Amino acid sequence: EDKVVQSPLSLVVHEGDTVTLNCSYEVTNFRSLLWYKQEKKAPTFLFMLTSSGIEKKSGRLSSILDKKELFSILNITATQTGDSAVYLCAVEFRNTDKLIFGTGTRLQVFP
Amino acid sequence: GAVVSQHPSWVICKSGTSVKIECRSLDFQATTMFWYRQFPKQSLMLMATSNEGSKATYEQGVEKDKFLINHASLTLSTLTVTSAHPEDSSFYICSANKDPRKNIQYFGAGTRLSVL
Repeated sequence: EDKVVQSPLSLVVHEGDTVTLNCSYEVTNFRSLLWYKQEKKAPTFLFMLTSSGIEKKSGRLSSILDKKELFSILNITATQTGDSAVYLCAVEFRNTDKLIFGTGTRLQVFP
Repeated sequence: GAVVSQHPSWVICKSGTSVKIECRSLDFQATTMFWYRQFPKQSLMLMATSNEGSKATYEQGVEKDKFLINHASLTLSTLTVTSAHPEDSSFYICSANKDPRKNIQYFGAGTRLSVL
């Protein structure tokens, strides 16, 4: 059965801390892995990863994929209260447009 | 990015009534749109893939007659929850793929359905 597992389920940190969110997957016909940030309503796109070992970076956020060990991490450095959200990991199947989402990691950043 | 608009954002209805939710891609055309359901503190569960000009593809366990999907144009897909019951109360989110070569789905703001 195809599945995407995220850990931890929730995380509480103080501003300035660095966090690492994990996403592991077991899917047939893997094509890509995506990270989204969901604050209150619509998930917003962060990264799409297709190749192993190539870090994607956007400001304080970065992500990398390991296709051999079947996982990805999302790093957030110098966290701010505005980073508080649920971070969703999704895996795309080859030959289809479907995404399977993990359960998400709820991040709370306190001042 | 890309803009996907979903309407209404919140609807309350009586049990037995039908509710229509609209999903529009505002600045791009989408041959494929997706409908998800999200329960509190849970992840997005794909309900169906909406294909312009053809029938939707439903995921296992999703009742086709209960959740009617129509994708009448390249910018609009609708989800109708027929004869809604309290157990249908949930958060429904649509998404659209702007570039078929890269399956980055852009999401609407969601619709919270409360069935009394």
